[in-house]
Amino acid sequence: GAVVSQHPSRVICKSGTSVKIECRSLDFQATTMFWYRQFPKQSLMLMATSNEGSKATYEQGVEKDKFLINHASLTLSTLTVTSAHPEDSSFYICSARDVGRQGVTEAFFGQGTRLTVV
Amino acid sequence: AQSVTQLDSQVPVFEEAPVELRCNYSSSVSVYLFWYVQYPNQGLQLLLKYLSGSTLVKGINGFEAEFNKSQTSFHLRKPSVHISDTAEYFCAVTLKAAGNKLTFGGGTRVLVKP
Repeated sequence: GAVVSQHPSRVICKSGTSVKIECRSLDFQATTMFWYRQFPKQSLMLMATSNEGSKATYEQGVEKDKFLINHASLTLSTLTVTSAHPEDSSFYICSARDVGRQGVTEAFFGQGTRLTVV
Repeated sequence: AQSVTQLDSQVPVFEEAPVELRCNYSSSVSVYLFWYVQYPNQGLQLLLKYLSGSTLVKGINGFEAEFNKSQTSFHLRKPSVHISDTAEYFCAVTLKAAGNKLTFGGGTRVLVKP
């Protein structure tokens, strides 16, 4: 159990276009999902916390108008990179917490999405 | 705010040799501690976690870690590594009330040589 699926795993887009990345919890409900960004050979940096039915909470320095997050259901959160530029190329990873489990202390991660903007 | 420091960015090690990956954290309140492994172009897989209780935690794939409160450390060890252990390892912390909002260390790349 506790599987998080991210789609697509890889995407190449042209500069100026928008790209949507989906994060789904397949066998549990997640009121909260997290979006991380990882540059090559670096650690994961939290971008935002996605809350079902409400606005996402963005970390300092993350442009909310550029990285649109929608958490419309208990099993799906989407991250849309708008007007993408080459500097947005990165590895994006989501994670989710299983709210159905008492005392849950760990988040489960998706497989990640490699975004390349050309 | 909490922070995590992984002292070694890369650790080369020969197959069947032991390995230790160091992790130190700073926080003014109680935290949960985690070690994750990441294979190339993949997400993160949980190796083990410390919540409370016994300071020696055993995880998957033969890994274990020891929580040392006085030294604010959570070092990861494996007595005998395999080629398949070649990966990136991340130490992470979350405040007990933070709902799984993780703060990651910089990562340690383990390269197992035959």
